[in-house]
Amino acid sequence: DQQVKQNSPSLSVQEGRISILNCDYTNSMFDYFLWYKKYPAEGPTFLISISSIKDKNEDGRFTVFLNKSAKHLSLHIVPSQPGDSAVYFCAASAQYSGAGSYQLTFGKGTKLSVIP
Amino acid sequence: GAGVSQSPSNKVTEKGKDVELRCDPISGHTALYWYRQRLGQGLEFLIYFQGNSAPDKSGLPSDRFSAERTGESVSTLTIQRTQQEDSAVYLCASSLTSGMPSYNEQFFGPGTRLTVL
Repeated sequence: DQQVKQNSPSLSVQEGRISILNCDYTNSMFDYFLWYKKYPAEGPTFLISISSIKDKNEDGRFTVFLNKSAKHLSLHIVPSQPGDSAVYFCAASAQYSGAGSYQLTFGKGTKLSVIP
Repeated sequence: GAGVSQSPSNKVTEKGKDVELRCDPISGHTALYWYRQRLGQGLEFLIYFQGNSAPDKSGLPSDRFSAERTGESVSTLTIQRTQQEDSAVYLCASSLTSGMPSYNEQFFGPGTRLTVL
């Protein structure tokens, strides 16, 4: 039972264009969402997060949008750069519910390739 | 200072052997997590340590898996009588603390790639 789903295993985008990575979740207790970026042979690195009290969080070229009614979030990268090529993981936690708030539930990841 | 380090980076073992994986968290981080990533899958939570509290072992897949942590330092994950389905990348992460009111970012190590033949 996958509680966090990233239905696109891969995505190719031209340099300079927008990259949109999608993530869906099923557990209504999730109230904090994170995106991690992973290069080969390295551990994931934190990219950006959003709390369920917000619907948008922006950090430079990266913006995360949250649609709670649809249980859907997306990561937008604008403009995309070749160095953004990596696997992006969506993760969720039930932080404010208090139960297992430290546990992160991860999606399977989307491999982004930014073509120069 | 240095980030989270893990050793070995790669481990190949024969089915039935025991293996021990090591994690050195970032100094001062009280929380430590172990995850497993099988091929083509997301990261799967295994176990969590927070200070001197009893660890949360709810993610360990079987009693062949165990982990220890000495205080707020090194942790070891031990897999006994390894099986081929144990083949995965084992990732360790640490954070300053956990829980409310603000989430504390988890910093990941590079992982140990375990291959069970």
